[in-house]
Amino acid sequence: SQQGEEDPQALSIQEGENATMNCSYKTSINNLQWYRQNSGRGLVHLILIRSNEREKHSGRLRVTLDTSKKSSSLLITASRAADTASYFCATDTDKLIFGTGTRLQVFP
Amino acid sequence: EAQVTQNPRYLITVTGKKLTVTCSQNMNHEYMSWYRQDPGLGLRQIYYSMNVEVTDKGDVPEGYKVSRKEKRNFPLILESPSPNQTSLYFCASSFSRGSGQGKAFFGQGTRLTVV
Repeated sequence: SQQGEEDPQALSIQEGENATMNCSYKTSINNLQWYRQNSGRGLVHLILIRSNEREKHSGRLRVTLDTSKKSSSLLITASRAADTASYFCATDTDKLIFGTGTRLQVFP
Repeated sequence: EAQVTQNPRYLITVTGKKLTVTCSQNMNHEYMSWYRQDPGLGLRQIYYSMNVEVTDKGDVPEGYKVSRKEKRNFPLILESPSPNQTSLYFCASSFSRGSGQGKAFFGQGTRLTVV
């Protein structure tokens, strides 16, 4: 059962631009997490936002959560070529369920 | 260094030949899980374990078995692999199921091909 769905599926931008990815989900959650995956590698945890939080920052990452709309967004500011990867949201209900991901390509 | 170790990284096998993918974590995590990743389908949970001797089915458990005899190890067993189990597999662990403070640590993945 897919809980989170990311939008867009793919995103191409130039270095220095901001990248925004969105995640929508279906049921109530304990928290929502974002992960990054370089091609074919393991996922790496980026940030966790609890259900009672609305916004969280970590370096160039900004995450928002709107539980009334059951949606979250991940903003990467001043993107770099090294940010090229797939990004997944994961919702924690009674288990961690991942979306299908957004493939981000950052061109130098 | 905190890590989740999967072996092997790559495996090609024939239909019906039993295989085991090992997973070990050194963080004393209670919760461990297995996912498979297929193009367009994201990560789907196969099995999870909340602690030693406690395992439960995820979303796609058919054709797989797991065991949790020790806290650090959570092997994935394919008793009779079939070509539709060709996929990229990930093991993950966390302190909890993800609620509260939990964040998941992932292994590097096992790319399995069943011919």
